[in-house]
Amino acid sequence: GAVVSQHPSWVICKSGTSVKIECRSLDFQATTMFWYRQFPKQSLMLMATSNEGSKATYEQGVEKDKFLINHASLTLSTLTVTSAHPEDSSFYICSARSVRGVLGTQYFGPGTRLTVL
Amino acid sequence: GESVGLHLPTLSVQEGDNSIINCAYSNSASDYFIWYKQESGKGPQFIIDIRSNMDKRQGQRVTVLLNKTVKHLSLQIAATQPGDSAVYFCAEIGTGFQKLVFGTGTRLLVSP
Repeated sequence: GAVVSQHPSWVICKSGTSVKIECRSLDFQATTMFWYRQFPKQSLMLMATSNEGSKATYEQGVEKDKFLINHASLTLSTLTVTSAHPEDSSFYICSARSVRGVLGTQYFGPGTRLTVL
Repeated sequence: GESVGLHLPTLSVQEGDNSIINCAYSNSASDYFIWYKQESGKGPQFIIDIRSNMDKRQGQRVTVLLNKTVKHLSLQIAATQPGDSAVYFCAEIGTGFQKLVFGTGTRLLVSP
């Protein structure tokens, strides 16, 4: 149980285009989903916290107009990187927290590798 | 601010040895700690967790020790196997149990 999927697993796009990444909780409902970014050989950095039906809360330094987050249901959150540039190339990972989960327990997706040319 | 760090960036061990990965945290108010394993190109995988009212917790081949006096966390892996090779992160739950704060990570290399 507690499986989180991400789609696509990797994407290559041209500079200036927008890319949407989906995060789904497959066998549980998630009131809260989190989006992280991870550069090579570095740790995970939280970008934003997304609660179903409300606006996402962004971490300091993360542009909310560039990284659009939508959490329309208890099983789906999307991250859209708008007008992507090479510096946005990174590994994007989502996690989901179950409505019934042990306090703090987050289940992570497999990640999406974004490469912007 | 809050931060969680690791002492060793890379740990190399022989198969069958016991491994110890260390982590220092700075937020004395943190109440919940988790160890994650991340293999190359994959998302973090939960290994074991511990609450601040405990000082030791054991799982299958893994043990987590928490020393709140010196704000130190460790992960012990018994009889390390090549499949244990990965990057290991400690993480703490920040104020209000909302956000995970990740440490910098330790790469564990297990040679046969």
